[in-house]
Amino acid sequence: GAGVSQSPSNKVTEKGKDVELRCDPISGHTALYWYRQSLGQGLEFLIYFQGNSAPDKSGLPSDRFSAERTGGSVSTLTIQRTQQEDSAVYLCASSLGSGTAHYEQYFGPGTRLTVT
Amino acid sequence: AQRVTQPEKLLSVFKGAPVELKCNYSYSGSPELFWYVQYSRQRLQLLLRHISRESIKGFTADLNKGETSFHLKKPFAQEEDSAMYYCALRGDRGSTLGRLYFGRGTQLTVWP
Repeated sequence: GAGVSQSPSNKVTEKGKDVELRCDPISGHTALYWYRQSLGQGLEFLIYFQGNSAPDKSGLPSDRFSAERTGGSVSTLTIQRTQQEDSAVYLCASSLGSGTAHYEQYFGPGTRLTVT
Repeated sequence: AQRVTQPEKLLSVFKGAPVELKCNYSYSGSPELFWYVQYSRQRLQLLLRHISRESIKGFTADLNKGETSFHLKKPFAQEEDSAMYYCALRGDRGSTLGRLYFGRGTQLTVWP
């Protein structure tokens, strides 16, 4: 079946604008994760959802970042008043579940965000 | 606090040579360790996990709790092994259960 999909694949925005990034997880996967991949920083965890709730938002870098997930499926990551340091590749992953049993995380292709 | 360290940003070897990508971690409990790989223009994907104790594409990794290391090894590197490799840790309690902590990655280049 289809893997994790993300849109848009590329986004160029001006500093100060808001952006929305979308993630469609694999059907049936209840857990969804957002990570950020930037040069020199590796992969940083942002937030994860189990169903529609977010038990761990500890990775969100500032209150300009927010995410939601509705219907236990699609998730949107919103960055308000973008700054140049927000430029990165935003990766989404999903897994069958989370918790004591580890389920493999399957990653999407990412959204490359460039803030000019 | 949990932390994953990959000391080498870049690693180059010739085809047929042995390769070892280093990974050290800090975590107070019993973590799970993983290696993820990202080939050029492809998605990040799981290569192997320590609990499986298996060899994937000729790669192996042994968890050494005494040295808190999980180095990735292959006795004879191939050109197609060229990729970015990330070591990752998953904790065993609370909020550390849900997420992966990644190292900064090692870019492996295998020359012909």
